Formats: sequence, C-alpha cells, structure tokens
Amino acid sequence: ETGVTQTPRHLVMGMTNKKSLKCEQHLGHNAMYWYKQSAKKPLELMFVYNFKEQTENNSVPSRFSPECPNSSHLFLHLHTLQPEDSALYLCASSQNRGQGAGEQYFGPGTRLTVT
Amino acid sequence: RKEVEQDPGPFNVPEGATVAFNCTYSNSASQSFFWYRQDCRKEPKLLMSVYSSGNEDGRFTAQLNRASQYISLLIRDSKLSDSATYLCVVRPGANNLFFGTGTRLTVIP
Repeated sequence: ETGVTQTPRHLVMGMTNKKSLKCEQHLGHNAMYWYKQSAKKPLELMFVYNFKEQTENNSVPSRFSPECPNSSHLFLHLHTLQPEDSALYLCASSQNRGQGAGEQYFGPGTRLTVT
Repeated sequence: RKEVEQDPGPFNVPEGATVAFNCTYSNSASQSFFWYRQDCRKEPKLLMSVYSSGNEDGRFTAQLNRASQYISLLIRDSKLSDSATYLCVVRPGANNLFFGTGTRLTVIP
C-alpha cells in the first residue's frame, strides 16, 4: 500500500545533527499529522496541518520543526535532539481535520534513534 | 487521568476463541470512537468505527456505553491473523484523536 509514504524508514543521528523526515500522501486528503510513538506509551499527537496551515502544536519542543509546503507533503525537521526523542515517528492524513478526522491513514513510520 | 485507558494485556487465546477488550475514556463530551489495529512494527490502521447503537463487521462487534464511558471490541472465532495490538481511539468534539496504549492480542494455534 502506498497511500502514505515516509522516508527514511530508519534514522540514527547524533545529538548535534540536523535531519529531516519526509511524508507524502497520495490520497487527496487535506489534513496531515505528525505523531510520536514511544514504547508502552500511547501515540502522541505532535502537529496538525489542515489545508497547509498548522492548526495544532501540541506543546512540542522547538527542536522539532514541521513544514507543510502543500497538502500532499509534510516534513519534520530535527535538530539538537535528545536521546529521549528516540521513537517511531508516524505521519498520517485524513480527508479533513474535523468530522473526517477519525479515519486517519498512517505511513509506515520512521524509526529514529538519537545517540 | 488519561484520556483513554486500556488493559495492555497481553491476551493469549486459542484459535476459535472469543475475546473481548474494553476501553474507558475520560471526556464525557467525546463524540466519536474507533478501534484501530496495529501489527508488530507496522502502522496503525482503522479497524472499525464505534456507533452508539453498536455495530458489527464480520467477526468483530464494537459497542459503546456512554453512561459508563467505555467502549468494547468483541472478536469471535479468533484467527491467527487477528494477532495484533488493538488501539482504542476517542475523538472529543471536533478535536483530534486520543489513542490508548493498546491491548496486545496473540492467537495461539
């Protein structure tokens, strides 16, 4: 299935590195999301974009910087991360942010390890 | 208090068994409810929405109890392929989704 793709699938970075995660959706959706999934914790919503506009920033540290150039693409720029930021980062999309937000389609995720 | 609480399991059941998961939510104003499924090292996928009157999809039955603020998922005649983590998901109003930590199910041959 290629509805939502993410690259890279795996990333190892040092605390002083700068890297970016990329997400692309081919579903014609208008809303896109970044989630963080850590072991034994629920998915944590990080950012929401609706029609390219950021509608939610869930108290995410500034070392995570999202970018949404259009409705199909979403980036997460990473810099000076901490080891506790190691997690699976999932991108998702939905038709809209409102009523249609319940049915979200997820990408395969980027497994990030910060050393 | 967590928005959504689930028993993490694991639930280990034999093939053909019936298994039920419950989930409670804290926001009484929540309007929409879902079950997602997440296979090991894969992304979550929507399994089914949960409607007020309860709904069934093949071997899967979802029910909502608004008075007690809990949602259930019943799986009948379990298959090996049902082994996964089942995520309870709640959407309060027009806001975003809140996920539970998930309940892990292993179906044993």
